[in-house]
Amino acid sequence: SALTQEASVSGTVGQKVTLSCTGHTNNVGSLPVGWYQQISHGAPKAVMFGDSLPSGIPDRFSGSKSGTTASLTISGLQPEDEADYYCSTWDYSLNVVVFGGGTKLTVL
Amino acid sequence: QLQLQESGPGLVKPSETLSLTCTVSDGSITSTSYYWGWIRQPPGKGLEWIGTIYYTGNTYYNPSLKSRVTISVDTSKNQFSLKLTSVTAADTAVFHCGRFANGYYYMDVWGKGTTVTVSS
Repeated sequence: SALTQEASVSGTVGQKVTLSCTGHTNNVGSLPVGWYQQISHGAPKAVMFGDSLPSGIPDRFSGSKSGTTASLTISGLQPEDEADYYCSTWDYSLNVVVFGGGTKLTVL
Repeated sequence: QLQLQESGPGLVKPSETLSLTCTVSDGSITSTSYYWGWIRQPPGKGLEWIGTIYYTGNTYYNPSLKSRVTISVDTSKNQFSLKLTSVTAADTAVFHCGRFANGYYYMDVWGKGTTVTVSS
């Protein structure tokens, strides 16, 4: 994948977890990153764009970026947050939407 | 609340053309704020962007699929469509249509998806 994500992350209920998405100056370093949550192979749902929270998404989700790494932080992890999370943005060099390989978040 | 629904054959033969339609409900496809498009997910794999269209017909395609893909819009029906030619088993996937916000690369509203299997 053009963007690199952890294969798996785990945390306990109430814990804060951070998922990362690393790319290059042509993609993550240049534009906001979108994050998608996919629960049990259902339809993905947008949970963050840059540092903006879509309507209806709990405010325990937050987004940030430093250089060519974007992060999705979940503060106060809940059982319903267990899902696969994908990051995505535009790549100026490739002229394509690029995705990370996805992070499987397990709530212990 | 905006809804999108994919429709089309669930089984396509190799070398034939895959055709899907996305119907937009409770929202206008001619909104100047949004684009529309398709993302697919092969079984057990990640997400792949196929392409995006504006209601005027301007399109953006994944270079890896560009020679085989056509996305079109029918504003009178509030629908847009996907055609993928010369399909192979590698094109088997769940196809999601959606609305793109903040430009043409962030899908903020997703359809539930439809599974298309390429097999003889």
